[in-house]
Amino acid sequence: DGGITQSPKYLFRKEGQNVTLSCEQNLNHDAMYWYRQDPGQGLRLIYYSQIVNDFQKGDIAEGYSVSREKKESFPLTVTSAQKNPTAFYLCASSGTGGVAKNIQYFGAGTRLSVL
Amino acid sequence: GESVGLHLPTLSVQEGDNSIINCAYSNSASDYFIWYKQESGKGPQFIIDIRSNMDKRQGQRVTVLLNKTVKHLSLQIAATQPGDSAVYFCAENYSYKLIFGSGTRLLVRP
Repeated sequence: DGGITQSPKYLFRKEGQNVTLSCEQNLNHDAMYWYRQDPGQGLRLIYYSQIVNDFQKGDIAEGYSVSREKKESFPLTVTSAQKNPTAFYLCASSGTGGVAKNIQYFGAGTRLSVL
Repeated sequence: GESVGLHLPTLSVQEGDNSIINCAYSNSASDYFIWYKQESGKGPQFIIDIRSNMDKRQGQRVTVLLNKTVKHLSLQIAATQPGDSAVYFCAENYSYKLIFGSGTRLLVRP
């Protein structure tokens, strides 16, 4: 099956701990994105990457870090600097040319909670 | 900054009726709009899109209307079914970023 795989589905973080959320895609998409979703709200952009070894901050990047060493993978680390990490995290990918750049396809999400 | 918003947070319809979900956008330079459906605990799923040079686009049981004069977008679902119950988001594409509204929850009554 082609698509975007996020893992784990549920994750718990202790105070002062960094945790990493995995996102893998086999759609051959150049661009990948991380969003945060809080209850009853829309999606807010954390980081995005249009090409391997390059990424840009989104609207709420503070307390998060990413890497893009491979086209297929875009892991997100929630650092201890993020004081309110409890949320639903969504990864997406898209093409980068023509109409393809407009449509983002999403994974199933990771729900992060603080212990 | 640019934003996309929705007028109704919750919409309740009778099964079989038509549903209309509305969205207002503020960035007149956006040239592409997308509707997503999100079921509980899942990621958003692409429904339909429309370019700014179009007024209407139809899919299977869904129609998107775009009114650029008043910066308004709507999603019409014909013969609403229980499986349509979800949160619906509109999004505008602006410089490789999608700007999402807060969503409308659609509840389908049997």
